[in-house]
Amino acid sequence: GAGVSQTPSNKVTEKGKYVELRCDPISGHTALYWYRQSLGQGPEFLIYFQGTGAADDSGLPNDRFFAVRPEGSVSTLKIQRTERGDSAVYLCASSPTTGEQFFGPGTRLTVL
Amino acid sequence: AQTVTQSQPEMSVQEAETVTLSCTYDTSESDYYLFWYKQPPSRQMILVIRQEAYKQQNATENRFSVNFQKAAKSFSLKISDSQLGDAAMYFCARLITTSGTYKYIFGTGTRLKVLA
Repeated sequence: GAGVSQTPSNKVTEKGKYVELRCDPISGHTALYWYRQSLGQGPEFLIYFQGTGAADDSGLPNDRFFAVRPEGSVSTLKIQRTERGDSAVYLCASSPTTGEQFFGPGTRLTVL
Repeated sequence: AQTVTQSQPEMSVQEAETVTLSCTYDTSESDYYLFWYKQPPSRQMILVIRQEAYKQQNATENRFSVNFQKAAKSFSLKISDSQLGDAAMYFCARLITTSGTYKYIFGTGTRLKVLA
């Protein structure tokens, strides 16, 4: 079956712009996660959805970051007023309940 | 503190030889899950092996096995008969399941090079 997909694969934007990153989880997976991976680091947790609600958003770095999952499937990570420090690979993962997480290929965000 | 430490930024192994990647972690919980993920240049995180802390037996998946030392909070990955396709970044991770959350804490990774 299809795995987790993320679009776009790469995104280049200018400082101060708004960006949206999309995640399509594996069909039927109720849990969805966003992580951010900076160069040379391991992924860092951003937010966890169980169904439509954000069960844990403690990893979002500030109020410029926001994520939604309105129908309990596709999720969008939104970043306002992007800064150069936001440049990273953004990984999405999903799981059937709350066990092993299956990752997508990530979106590489570059803020110029 | 919820930390996962990988002290080897880079390791090299000759093809067909065995290599061990180290990982230590912090936790006050008695039951938890540990994972090793592989990340090739494609960026896709691929699960290599998982270990449940309440199981005393070390997990094994084909050429991959772990040495889980619960008291020492150590979780090393052994790769036997290394192949060129094993070259990648390897991340150790612990699943946090307290306070209504489910999230991974990852180490900083070990880059594995396989020499022909």
